This record gives sequence, structure tokens and C-alpha cells, in this order.
Amino acid sequence: GDSVTQMEGPVTLSEEAFLTINCTYTATGYPSLFWYVQYPGEGLQLLLKATKADDKGSNKGFEATYRKETTSFHLEKGSVQVSDSAVYFCALHTNAGKSTFGDGTTLTVKP
Amino acid sequence: NAGVTQTPKFRVLKTGQSMTLLCAQDMNHEYMYWYRQDPGMGLRLIHYSVGEGTTAKGEVPDGYNVSRLKKQNFLLGLESAAPSQTSVYFCASSSSGQSNQPQHFGDGTRLSIL
Repeated sequence: GDSVTQMEGPVTLSEEAFLTINCTYTATGYPSLFWYVQYPGEGLQLLLKATKADDKGSNKGFEATYRKETTSFHLEKGSVQVSDSAVYFCALHTNAGKSTFGDGTTLTVKP
Repeated sequence: NAGVTQTPKFRVLKTGQSMTLLCAQDMNHEYMYWYRQDPGMGLRLIHYSVGEGTTAKGEVPDGYNVSRLKKQNFLLGLESAAPSQTSVYFCASSSSGQSNQPQHFGDGTRLSIL
């Protein structure tokens, strides 16, 4: 079946550091790929998405590129802020509403 | 700007008690989902619905029942709560089953079973 593997956390960075959170997937067919973010006490919310190979999703300074050849969708940000501290989930969605989520990576950014 | 609303937000139950978690969405979405989130295990799908009057089993359906009598509401029931059901429960919805549609989540229900 489908699966998503995320870089294990927790990840701790200083403010303005570069962030990479790795995500690889296995899937049949042609999934769309997503990154969701979860702030403390809240539900997941969409951060960015890419729907086909070589697409780049971007939002709030975060970026991720859908790499079919390496089955990856790594999340990057050039300069993190304290407010980016959260749990980040990589996910793939296939048709018929099927979704598979990674286990989440906790990011803490220190001032 | 309600989106997906879950009630209650917190609940403590004793083993064997029953309860119903309510999820309501105001986006006219067709698909709705119930997940549980446990430390180190990500999100696991309990049940889902592809439209009013329909339900289907997810990855971990045992011990739970659901109903979708109205398009905007999706109820999750625990008939006889067990300590293993202590978790954070999230409801989500999406406009369709197409892969490019994101899911919209509620803020969760934190449930403890003693």
C-alpha cells in the first residue's frame, strides 16, 4: 500500500537557520503531495501542495518540489522564525479521497 | 469563518461509558473523515464518508461507529469506551475525492478513558 516516511524529529534550530524536513513516499498511480502544519492545540492546516511531477508548492517562505524520480517531497525554508515552531506532516492524497500521512516532525525554533 | 467545528473539545470517560463526538462543516464538502492521533503514530483513519448517508471503514474502525445523516454533520460514536481509545480525535472534510483537494481539519477532541 501507499506510505509516507518523514525525517524523524524533533528538529531544533536557531532563528534564521535553514530548514529541511525530508519526506519520501511510495504510491501506486499519481498522487498529489501535501505538507500540513499543526500548531499546539490546533488541527492540521494546509501549508502547501503539488499535484504533479516537477511542480513546486510554496507558501509563507516554505517550498517543496514533487520529485517523481526520487519519490520525494522535501520541505525547505531559507530562514526560520520562532513562529514556525510546530509539527509538520507530509501527506499524499490519491483519488477517491484516500490519504496517507507521515508521522510528523516537530520543529522548535529558538531565538 | 467556522470551517470544521468539533464538539466537545475535551472529555473524560470511564471504561464502558458511551459517547458521541460531533463534527460539523459549513463548506458544503462531500467527503468527511475521522482520524485519531497518537504520539509517534501520525494520523490513522477511523471511518470516512463520501457523501450524505454513506459511511466506510478506515484503517482502525474497531470499537467505533459513525453516521452521516446530514451532509454537514459526521458523528463518531464510542459504544463502550476502553482505555486504548484515549487519544486526540480529528475530523476533516474535503470538497471531493480528487487527489488535488486538501483536507480541512477541526481543532480536535481530546478524549481520556479512565
